[in-house]
Amino acid sequence: DVKVTQSSRYLVKRTGEKVFLECVQDMDHENMFWYRQDPGLGLRLIYFSYDVKMKEKGDIPEGYSVSREKKERFSLILESASTNQTSMYLCASSFRGQAGYEQYFGPGTRLTVT
Amino acid sequence: QKEVEQNSGPLSVPEGAIASLNCTYSDRGSQSFFWYRQYSGKSPELIMFIYSNGDKEDGRFTAQLNKASQYVSLLIRDSQPSDSATYLCAVTHSGNTGKLIFGQGTTLQVKP
Repeated sequence: DVKVTQSSRYLVKRTGEKVFLECVQDMDHENMFWYRQDPGLGLRLIYFSYDVKMKEKGDIPEGYSVSREKKERFSLILESASTNQTSMYLCASSFRGQAGYEQYFGPGTRLTVT
Repeated sequence: QKEVEQNSGPLSVPEGAIASLNCTYSDRGSQSFFWYRQYSGKSPELIMFIYSNGDKEDGRFTAQLNKASQYVSLLIRDSQPSDSATYLCAVTHSGNTGKLIFGQGTTLQVKP
């Protein structure tokens, strides 16, 4: 079974703090993703990585950065957390399977910025 | 702007009925199509994929694809209360980058 893990299920941070969200996958997948999900807005792609040290901006990269130093690990960084970054953050990884790129999600991190 | 459209619902069906969830997409270059189930407070779980026109069955689930009409559907037979969830349709980005384009999801309620 594919396993994608995220460092925290719930996180509470203060405005202005630097926040690190970690994601690890154990299936040697080449692609990894960070999304945020908000009611009424659906899943929105923040950043995407298709290889170690390679990254691509998604639809809403402002206020975020990412790091991928090892294939299995993809980190999302909030440089200076703000209240509008309160959200559910979902990491996913994918490989090229029978149907193309099948994506598998981690359990999510619910971040609250106060 | 490449889009995936779903009726947000809620779609309410009685237990034992067939639930029909629909999805349209705008990118004619999309090759593969996925259905995810997301329970409240949980992350999306991949339940079906399809890439050829026609039907694909897996247990109580049937995915249907019509590329000419740019239409994908998911049928759930003998619906159970445990099927109550939000169902997300996703399609591959035509640039073959590995990215998926997600719809906003349809909420299904199965009433006992």
